[in-house]
Amino acid sequence: QQQVKQSPQSLIVQKGGISIINCAYENTAFDYFPWYQQFPGKGPALLIAIRPDVSEKKEGRFTISFNKSAKQFSLHIMDSQPGDSATYFCAARRTGGFKTIFGAGTRLFVKA
Amino acid sequence: DGGITQSPKYLFRKEGQNVTLSCEQNLNHDAMYWYRQDPGQGLRLIYYSQIVNDFQKGDIAEGYSVSREKKESFPLTVTSAQKNPTAFYLCASSPAEKLFFGSGTQLSVL
Repeated sequence: QQQVKQSPQSLIVQKGGISIINCAYENTAFDYFPWYQQFPGKGPALLIAIRPDVSEKKEGRFTISFNKSAKQFSLHIMDSQPGDSATYFCAARRTGGFKTIFGAGTRLFVKA
Repeated sequence: DGGITQSPKYLFRKEGQNVTLSCEQNLNHDAMYWYRQDPGQGLRLIYYSQIVNDFQKGDIAEGYSVSREKKESFPLTVTSAQKNPTAFYLCASSPAEKLFFGSGTQLSVL
């Protein structure tokens, strides 16, 4: 019930294309769903986050789509750039709780 | 510069040795965390602390110990009981849901 399942494990996209990463969760008590971006040798950094009261959130080229009934959410990177090449983690957390549960990560490579 | 400072960047452990990873923050956050990252496995929670002088076990606490004597500092000791310590260790702090991470320590076994 605590798991967050993420797919695909790796992704190769052409420059200018759309990158899509999917996540699914089980615990309906989760109410905060962030995406973190990690470059090699660095710690993750928050990219964008959503709460279940909205179905979509957009920040620049990054969009989260959220489907509460299916318990799924996804990250879309529009006009993908080589600088977007990194590992992306979805996560889930319950407000008031102290544990953030992470997916296994997706390694994205954007070909120039 | 506000942030999380982890040291050292690289650390090597000999058989039977305890090693301590340092984590310092100047963000004035109450909560601090230690995560372990293995290739293809995401981040797993080792320990977390909500306030000074208090800490809780995470999902993989066996073979690790922590202390929280000051708000700014949350060191992690990898003991000899941890038989597979090779991993990338990440410290984080948070004021609420958002996590702020340090740059990590890569621990390897000699």
